[in-house]
Amino acid sequence: DVKVTQSSRYLVKRTGEKVFLECVQDMDHENMFWYRQDPGLGLRLIYFSYDVKMKEKGDIPEGYSVSREKKERFSLILESASTNQTSMYLCASSEAANTNEAFFGQGTRLTVV
Amino acid sequence: AQSVSQHNHHVILSEAASLELGCNYSYGGTVNLFWYVQYPGQHLQLLLKYFSGDPLVKGIKGFEAEFIKSKFSFNLRKPSVQWSDTAEYFCAVNLISNFGNEKLTFGTGTRLTIIP
Repeated sequence: DVKVTQSSRYLVKRTGEKVFLECVQDMDHENMFWYRQDPGLGLRLIYFSYDVKMKEKGDIPEGYSVSREKKERFSLILESASTNQTSMYLCASSEAANTNEAFFGQGTRLTVV
Repeated sequence: AQSVSQHNHHVILSEAASLELGCNYSYGGTVNLFWYVQYPGQHLQLLLKYFSGDPLVKGIKGFEAEFIKSKFSFNLRKPSVQWSDTAEYFCAVNLISNFGNEKLTFGTGTRLTIIP
């Protein structure tokens, strides 16, 4: 079974803090994605990566950055957390061929106070 | 701009009713299409996908979807829903980014509530 593991299920951070969300997949997938999920807005793509050290902005990259130093790990960084970044964050991975399904982690519920 | 639209935000049905959830996308090139489901408290998981061939695809749990290229649509159907189908359903399209990379893009989701 493919496993996508996000380091935390729940996080509470203060405004202005630097926040790291970690994601690890165990299936040697090339593609990895970070989304945020908000009620009524669905899943919005923040960043994605198609190879080690390769990344591309998604639809809402402002206020975020990412790091992919190893194939299995994809980190999302909130440089200076703000209350409007309170959300559920989902990580996903998939094989390179675009017919392949994405596998999701369980999500990290981040609250910024 | 490339996008995926789901017009039904919340659908409430009684058990045994038939279901159809709409999905439209705006992209002129070749697309790969997916429906994902998120049951309460669980991960998103794949229901079905289309990438070529027969435009009517069957997925798990009795769901099916039809790709109509001329309408840019990929609607999800089930002839008779069950209480256990209560979940949120997301349509997704694998678009190609401006830099030529795969970009899995989701719609806003449809919350389905089945009344026993």
